[in-house]
Amino acid sequence: EAGVVQSPRYKIIEKKQPVAFWCNPISGHNTLYWYRQNLGQGPELLIRYENEEAVDDSQLPKDRFSAERLKGVDSTLKIQPAELGDSAVYLCASSLEGRQGDYGYTFGSGTRLTVV
Amino acid sequence: QKEVEQNSGPLSVPEGAIASLNCTYSDRGSQSFFWYRQYSGKSPELIMFIYSNGDKEDGRFTAQLNKASQYVSLLIRDSQPSDSATYLCAVNTEYGNKLVFGAGTILRVKS
Repeated sequence: EAGVVQSPRYKIIEKKQPVAFWCNPISGHNTLYWYRQNLGQGPELLIRYENEEAVDDSQLPKDRFSAERLKGVDSTLKIQPAELGDSAVYLCASSLEGRQGDYGYTFGSGTRLTVV
Repeated sequence: QKEVEQNSGPLSVPEGAIASLNCTYSDRGSQSFFWYRQYSGKSPELIMFIYSNGDKEDGRFTAQLNKASQYVSLLIRDSQPSDSATYLCAVNTEYGNKLVFGAGTILRVKS
């Protein structure tokens, strides 16, 4: 079974430029999460999807961040424009609906963003 | 007060010793608790979860939970240099149905 797939693995952009990250969850997992992990910190939730619906986006900086999950499978997280403080690792994770509390969830390999 | 707190370390132990990692949480309604291991430059990997008070053993790893004290720990027996990593404690909060992570404890096992 393929795990959570993310791309790209690394991205370096200049500030004020746009950037997008892509995530393909584990097959059959209808819950998808985007987390951001700053250096030396634990992951922090940005947004959680149940199928196509964003059910928790309270931590997403909506002035510059947007996300979508068309057809309830793949998801894209976008930043426009990027700021220096957005440099971090962006992690995608997935789980069976309602089961993340039981078994935790699996992370993808992450996208390391550097804004210069 | 942070929702999940961990000592950042680094915690240094000699090879073969027991490493003890600790975590406290603030949401008294939390029901499930997780330990993730994260090697440098890699994504977090789930190694243990526990729901009930007491101990849960899996190989060299033992998770301990005390809900009354809002405390969860991870013991690693016979520590190996390959155990050197950051260990993240995560808690499923009663509200929001999501995992909240601590900042992690850096473990260094010296041979």
